[in-house]
Amino acid sequence: QLQLQESGPGLVKPSETLSLTCTVSGGSISSSSYFWGWIRQPPGKGLEWIGSIYYSGSTYYNPSLKSRVTISVDTSKNHLSLNLSSVTAADTAVYYCARLALHFLFYYYMDVWGKGTTVTVSS
Amino acid sequence: DIQMTQSPSSLSASVGDRVTITCRASQGISNYLAWFQQKPGKAPKSLIYAASSLQSGVPSKFSGSGSGTDFTLTISSLQPEDFATYYCQQYYSYPYTFGQGTKLEIK
Repeated sequence: QLQLQESGPGLVKPSETLSLTCTVSGGSISSSSYFWGWIRQPPGKGLEWIGSIYYSGSTYYNPSLKSRVTISVDTSKNHLSLNLSSVTAADTAVYYCARLALHFLFYYYMDVWGKGTTVTVSS
Repeated sequence: DIQMTQSPSSLSASVGDRVTITCRASQGISNYLAWFQQKPGKAPKSLIYAASSLQSGVPSKFSGSGSGTDFTLTISSLQPEDFATYYCQQYYSYPYTFGQGTKLEIK
């Protein structure tokens, strides 16, 4: 059974870089049938897609975060990573990783989610 | 960006009721729409993709319909475990966007 587990510091200082890892177990991140992504949810608010990556390294980012976001994949460790630079209090959120399954052609939907990890930006 | 608008934002219903949640896209998205259920303190759970295809393991009490700009999620015979927040999400174009959520509460 596929499982995704997010990990990383729960507290990050303003202006620093938020770094998270999502470890995939029960399946291979190198599968050609899937993309992998990051989504976040500020306290009491809705969901925001951050970006997605294919195992080959192709990435798609939300333009609202693009200048600060880097998503990468390490196939040898079967995990993906998120780096978000120059964070502010507005980046405080629960961060989720998810698998995106192929629906048709190049359209992918989120089918499996990690449990999420809470990141607070504060000095 | 494609804006996704859900209605209502909140809904009160009783156990056994049938409810319908609506999601409208600001432009046509064919059937590239997903629905998620989220309970407090938990990750979203995939319910439906392709507007009407049930995710594996999801009970048939959940059903989706629609195409283009207008979509619905219907939940029949509500049980206590169904009271949660529901989100729609389009995956037709980047950036992927979510509706603001519909909170389903017990009356």
